Amino acid sequence: DSGVTQTPKHLITATGQRVTLRCSPRSGDLSVYWYQQSLDQGLQFLIQYYNGEERAKGNILERFSAQQFPDLHSELNLSSLELGDSALYFCASSVAWGMTDTQYFGPGTRLTVL
Amino acid sequence: QQPVQSPQAVILREGEDAVINCSSSKALYSVHWYRQKHGEAPVFLMILLKGGEQKGHEKISASFNEKKQQSSLYLTASQLSYSGTYFCGTDAGGTSYGKLTFGQGTILTVHP
Repeated sequence: DSGVTQTPKHLITATGQRVTLRCSPRSGDLSVYWYQQSLDQGLQFLIQYYNGEERAKGNILERFSAQQFPDLHSELNLSSLELGDSALYFCASSVAWGMTDTQYFGPGTRLTVL
Repeated sequence: QQPVQSPQAVILREGEDAVINCSSSKALYSVHWYRQKHGEAPVFLMILLKGGEQKGHEKISASFNEKKQQSSLYLTASQLSYSGTYFCGTDAGGTSYGKLTFGQGTILTVHP
C-alpha cells in the first residue's frame, strides 16, 4: 500500500458524460501527478500540481481538467467523454516537485466509457 | 519523445539474470524505473540522476550512461515475485522538467 488513495475504483459511464476522479496523496506529500494508462498509448503523464499550483502539463486533452485543493487532495475532471477515454487513471504523489523525488502511485481508477 | 525499451519481453527461470534497457533520443536529467503487476499500480524501483546519484531498492541495480542517453536495469537471481511489466520513465529537464515520459514496457515472466 503506497498511502495514495483514489476513488472510485471503477467507473462505468456513457459517451458525452462528465466524471470526476479523486486522489488523496500520501501524508506530507505536496505534489500530485495524474497519468492515463491504456493499451495503445501506454502510461502517459497528464498533469502535475504542487501545493495547489499547476507545475507541469503533458498530453492532457482540453476536455480534461484538474485541480489541487488546499487540503492537497486532487480531482481530475473528464468531460464530453469518448470511447477512447476508457483507460486506467493513476494518481501519484511525491514530497516535492523535483524529478529527484520518488513518485508513489495510487491503485488507480478504471474508467469504462460505453 | 517516448524512450525505447528492450527487450519487449523476457522469460526466465528462477535464479536466472536479466537486463532491461531503456534508450532515449533526448539528453536526460533522470531515469526512473517502475514495476507493475497486472491490474495493479506501478511500484517504484529506482531513480538514476545525471551526475551519478541513485536512489532505490537495495536488491535492484541499474546504470545510467548520460552520454549515450541509456539506462539499464539489472535483475539478478530472479524470483517469482519479479514477474511483471517494467517501465522506464525519463525526464529531459529544461522545459520538460517535471514530466516523466514512459517507455512501452518490458514484460518479465519468471517460471519456477
